[in-house]
Amino acid sequence: EPEVTQTPSHQVTQMGQEVILRCVPISNHLYFYWYRQILGQKVEFLVSFYNNEISEKSEIFDDQFSVERPDGSNFTLKIRSTKLEDSAMYFCASGILPGGEKLFFGSGTQLSVL
Amino acid sequence: TQLLEQSPQFLSIQEGENLTVYCNSSSVFSSLQWYRQEPGEGPVLLVTVVTGGEVKKLKRLTFQFGDARKDSSLHITAAQPGDTGLYLCAGAGGQNAGNMLTFGGGTRLMVKP
Repeated sequence: EPEVTQTPSHQVTQMGQEVILRCVPISNHLYFYWYRQILGQKVEFLVSFYNNEISEKSEIFDDQFSVERPDGSNFTLKIRSTKLEDSAMYFCASGILPGGEKLFFGSGTQLSVL
Repeated sequence: TQLLEQSPQFLSIQEGENLTVYCNSSSVFSSLQWYRQEPGEGPVLLVTVVTGGEVKKLKRLTFQFGDARKDSSLHITAAQPGDTGLYLCAGAGGQNAGNMLTFGGGTRLMVKP
């Protein structure tokens, strides 16, 4: 069964460092997303991406964040200068329908900023 | 800001019992998703309900979308220890929702043998 894959599963970084989280969405999906989940809190929307551009972003997704789909298969989330509060589980998701419906999530990257 | 409230937050029951989890909002959604999440893993999609009043069954799990598309419920019949996990509801396509899913806080279910 097709699945969304994310690497790495765990990432530890120092505050102020740049990190890149990688995702390979399901191959025939058109809509791509990043969500995050701080320990003990709700899953929160970060950004949606369609047709090679950001279609929507939340208040969390500030200038320190960027997304890219460089080669038609990988979908990356970059955090330029990490802060302690960026520590969370980051989930990539993809879907074939607009509107965020019927999304399939990856297993996540646990980011720890020290 | 759209909110989805799930209740109860925690539920501990004995194997064989029935249970219902609720997901409520003051906002209308075009669809409601139910996910199950294991520790350290991503949410796994169980079902999507789209039509007001719709009922979907997945083995011992019954999902219902409210007539006004503001609420949903998940009913589990004869719960098994394998049902233990975190159940999340997530709404899509609500007013001003755009392309995002709005998640509830989850119901953590423990089924004891």
